Amino acid sequence: AQSVTQLGSHVSVSEGALVLLRCNYSSSVPPYLFWYVQYPNQGLQLLLKYTSAATLVKGINGFEAEFKKSETSFHLTKPSAHMSDAAEYFCAVSTSSGNTPLVFGKGTRLSVIA
Amino acid sequence: DADVTQTPRNRITKTGKRIMLECSQTKGHDRMYWYRQDPGLGLQLIYYSFDVKDINKGEISDGYSVSRQAQAKFSLSLESAIPNQTALYFCATSAGTGRYNEQFFGPGTRLTVL
Repeated sequence: AQSVTQLGSHVSVSEGALVLLRCNYSSSVPPYLFWYVQYPNQGLQLLLKYTSAATLVKGINGFEAEFKKSETSFHLTKPSAHMSDAAEYFCAVSTSSGNTPLVFGKGTRLSVIA
Repeated sequence: DADVTQTPRNRITKTGKRIMLECSQTKGHDRMYWYRQDPGLGLQLIYYSFDVKDINKGEISDGYSVSRQAQAKFSLSLESAIPNQTALYFCATSAGTGRYNEQFFGPGTRLTVL
């Protein structure tokens, strides 16, 4: 079975500062990994995904994530936070067979301070 | 037009009432899912369906039932609503095996049970 742990339910950064949201996964088979973002009063939309190609994955809005198998991690980063990045972020894992639903972490709420 | 739609978007009901939440999609995906979101708990899978004749329980199916009326429609029912079912409910879809199981979400239904 797969699982995801997101460290920190709430992260606060200053505008222009580095954003780092942490995600560790557990999977007995090669995983597919996803980051989704949820803006207030909206559904979830995909930021980026790792599907066993490049380990450094670039997504929308300047976000990127690096798959590190040795650390079972898939942390999300952005060099410079914008006010518009304030949202809830979810990490999710699926198996490479594609035959299981995504398993989501509990989410990290990102606040950006002016 | 949205690819995944949910109706209603908001619903207030009373304890003991039967409620149906509906989800429709125009993405042509075989797989559909119902999730529940509570603050601090992330997304919890209620039920999922990999095709019209396939229904599977998720991690929190007690008190819920589903119907897959067609490839494009997947309904969630609360036979006798209770206050702790107050939550935000999301429908999602994904393509079949080989497409990484990336999920696409609807805008959500906010349900309040009094």
